[in-house]
Amino acid sequence: GIQVEQSPPDLILQEGANSTLRCNFSDSVNNLQWFHQNPWGQLINLFYIPSGTKQNGRLSATTVATERYSLLYISSSQTTDSGVYFCAVIPSGSRLTFGEGTQLTVNP
Amino acid sequence: GAVVSQHPSRVICKSGTSVKIECRSLDFQATTMFWYRQFPKQSLMLMATSNEGSKATYEQGVEKDKFLINHASLTLSTLTVTSAHPEDSSFYICSARVEAGPRPYEQYFGPGTRLTVT
Repeated sequence: GIQVEQSPPDLILQEGANSTLRCNFSDSVNNLQWFHQNPWGQLINLFYIPSGTKQNGRLSATTVATERYSLLYISSSQTTDSGVYFCAVIPSGSRLTFGEGTQLTVNP
Repeated sequence: GAVVSQHPSRVICKSGTSVKIECRSLDFQATTMFWYRQFPKQSLMLMATSNEGSKATYEQGVEKDKFLINHASLTLSTLTVTSAHPEDSSFYICSARVEAGPRPYEQYFGPGTRLTVT
């Protein structure tokens, strides 16, 4: 099956810093989503981005489908950004496959 | 965005009893729903795919007689953990998929149910 690798596995930032999270996948995909799992376990949809670039406030994402990777940018990080960020993909005719996540800690 | 609710959020039960978890899509119809299990510090593991009006499809290694799934309507799927044991203690998360529209196959997740079996 498809492999989804996220890096880095852990990231510690000071409030106000910027960061880039990466997601590599091993096969072509029909769908790619980024999620933020908050400390209470809720997965929050950040982006639906099978290709191209999108921005939502301090967050933006870029997927280069031909090169099989996606990037999530977080600018001016806040303590509320802490949590686990998951990348998940749907290969053709299949179901959502998750990466292992990036644990982000933003310190005040 | 679409909203998925899950109930209960937390449940403690005794070993040998059964527990039912409900998952509802509140503002859209979901032909397909999914059930995941998550252990601490790990990613989500798909347990089964629930299709409205038909039998669920279970992932390899998931006991279908222990984890009963019913998808009786386009807005409700239930997971029943039968004869629960301490090793079934985990965080269970449901998800519903949007089938059409501008973002086909986008999935939305419920807030999760933390099950503790004593």
